[in-house]
Amino acid sequence: NAGVTQTPKFRVLKTGQSMTLLCAQDMNHEYMYWYRQDPGMGLRLIHYSVGEGTTAKGEVPDGYNVSRLKKQNFLLGLESAAPSQTSVYFCASSDRGDGYTFGSGTRLTVV
Amino acid sequence: GEDVEQSLFLSVREGDSSVINCTYTDSSSTYLYWYKQEPGAGLQLLTYIFSNMDMKQDQRLTVLLNKKDKHLSLRIADTQTGDSAIYFCAENDYGQNFVFGPGTRLSVLP
Repeated sequence: NAGVTQTPKFRVLKTGQSMTLLCAQDMNHEYMYWYRQDPGMGLRLIHYSVGEGTTAKGEVPDGYNVSRLKKQNFLLGLESAAPSQTSVYFCASSDRGDGYTFGSGTRLTVV
Repeated sequence: GEDVEQSLFLSVREGDSSVINCTYTDSSSTYLYWYKQEPGAGLQLLTYIFSNMDMKQDQRLTVLLNKKDKHLSLRIADTQTGDSAIYFCAENDYGQNFVFGPGTRLSVLP
């Protein structure tokens, strides 16, 4: 049982490049989330999904897009990367009230 | 809006007890959580407490909830070097989203 798997684990992008981060969960969870973690700021919610085919904006959605075409996958896209998007990105999934299961994170550097 | 606050740093000596504190503003919080993040890893759920409980104990961990003051604490007994990590408090109102605090970095000194 893998839980939540994020790929890639590390990536360096040049300003203006695009990329997609993949999150996959095998727990049949309805809810999935993308967070970014920056020093001293805790976790900030980027986008989330309450089920297949649905997405919603979180606290810091600008510059990101997401898709949930399959229940087990939640993709986070950066269309034109900026240095301000240098961060560690965490995906999580949950069922109501059970707490999140987190992936191990993707460390993204935009130069 | 909802807010969760924690002090950012705590240092204790190995063998002592650690107490990590958290305050929150959302009175409709149903669940309150403690997560642990070790270096280079994701967040791991340590424990959680329902809002109608005052205390929960799980081995070396004790969670205390003062709902009137909206104050949550995590006590780690006999703190070990392996407990060094960042600890996040989070609250949820049985909805889809959690609100996290900024995290408390616990350093355990030999």
